[in-house]
Amino acid sequence: NAGVTQTPKFQVLKTGQSMTLQCAQDMNHNSMYWYRQDPGMGLRLIYYSASEGTTDKGEVPNGYNVSRLNKREFSLRLESAAPSQTSVYFCASHHPGERTYNEQFFGPGTRLTVL
Amino acid sequence: LAKTTQPISMDSYEGQEVNITCSHNNIATNDYITWYQQFPSQGPRFIIQGYKTKVTNEVASLFIPADRKSSTLSLPRVSLSDTAVYYCLVGDSNTGRRALTFGSGTRLQVQP
Repeated sequence: NAGVTQTPKFQVLKTGQSMTLQCAQDMNHNSMYWYRQDPGMGLRLIYYSASEGTTDKGEVPNGYNVSRLNKREFSLRLESAAPSQTSVYFCASHHPGERTYNEQFFGPGTRLTVL
Repeated sequence: LAKTTQPISMDSYEGQEVNITCSHNNIATNDYITWYQQFPSQGPRFIIQGYKTKVTNEVASLFIPADRKSSTLSLPRVSLSDTAVYYCLVGDSNTGRRALTFGSGTRLQVQP
């Protein structure tokens, strides 16, 4: 199992450009999440999807859109990138269960720089 | 979601036991307490979770008093490889409709 995979690993954009960050998981998890982590800070939730076909806003959704394409894939789109969106983006997945109530599995991250 | 408070940073030496305490005064009845570890340039990794009393696994122990308003992550005999940021999270994500909130975490530095 690959777990949670993210593409690309690195990306540099100019202000105003758009791009889509891809995330896929092969663990058959219902829930998927997108976080951003600024230098020296904790993770902040952008959007999450409790199940296929549903998405909800997190703490910092402005400037982003998401698509839960199917159970495996959850993409994050920046329509018009801004320097304030320079960050590391993590995707995570989770499947509720008694033993692993709050266990999320994280991808390796995408390091995005907006000039 | 319950707010958590934990120290910003801690220092230790190899071989020592490290205890990181997290306070969560407004924890709800259905909330679990979960700890994650994050190494530089990596995503967080689940360490341990508990509801009450004591939980132990191969990595750490989690102590939760009866009132559940705080919890303590205990790392026995730390090594240099335990240098990381540790996050305390409180919540109930069982339904998937509520996501957990990561705070700023505790930066643990282990020295030789």
